[in-house]
Amino acid sequence: GNSVTQMEGPVTLSEEAFLTINCTYTATGYPSLFWYVQYPGEGLQLLLKATKADDKGSNKGFEATYRKETTSFHLEKGSVQVSDSAVYFCALSTRNAGNNRKLIWGLGTSLAVNP
Amino acid sequence: DAGVTQSPTHLIKTRGQQVTLRCSPKSGHDTVSWYQQALGQGPQFIFQYYEEEERQRGNFPDRFSGHQFPNYSSELNVNALLLGDSALYLCASSLGQGSGSPLHFGNGTRLTVT
Repeated sequence: GNSVTQMEGPVTLSEEAFLTINCTYTATGYPSLFWYVQYPGEGLQLLLKATKADDKGSNKGFEATYRKETTSFHLEKGSVQVSDSAVYFCALSTRNAGNNRKLIWGLGTSLAVNP
Repeated sequence: DAGVTQSPTHLIKTRGQQVTLRCSPKSGHDTVSWYQQALGQGPQFIFQYYEEEERQRGNFPDRFSGHQFPNYSSELNVNALLLGDSALYLCASSLGQGSGSPLHFGNGTRLTVT
């Protein structure tokens, strides 16, 4: 079946450090891949997405590349800020035979950035 | 441009009671999905509504039911509440059912069952 595996947190970094959060997936067909972010006390927000192999999604300094050969979609940022402290979720989206779409989620990785 | 709005923001219920949560999708969106997020966990898919019909369902019992109205808004109903139903319930809207269409989430309803 379809699944998403994220690296376990919490991840604690100092401001301006380099961030990598690993995400790998198992899916049939050709899923779309997403990173969502959840700030404390808020709902989920789409951070970036990629819909086909070798696509790079980017937003707010974050990047992730859809790697079909390694079934990965690792999230990276070159210099994190305190305001990036949040929980990050990797997700994939597939369509079933009825053309209905569903998101499959990773468990989330908590990031804390210290000044 | 109003995003996804959910009500109420917080709710406390007793075991065995029934609850109704409400969601208005982002303007222009026609598909609504509901998720349950337990503390420290990722969201779990409950069901998705499109054209006023339930199109997909996750692994949740029949105590969880829903409805979509002609204006695309949606309700989630949970009967015979259990302590384990305590969670953040998230509504997400999207346009159509293509796999590339991102979901827009509301801030959720925090349900506490005592």
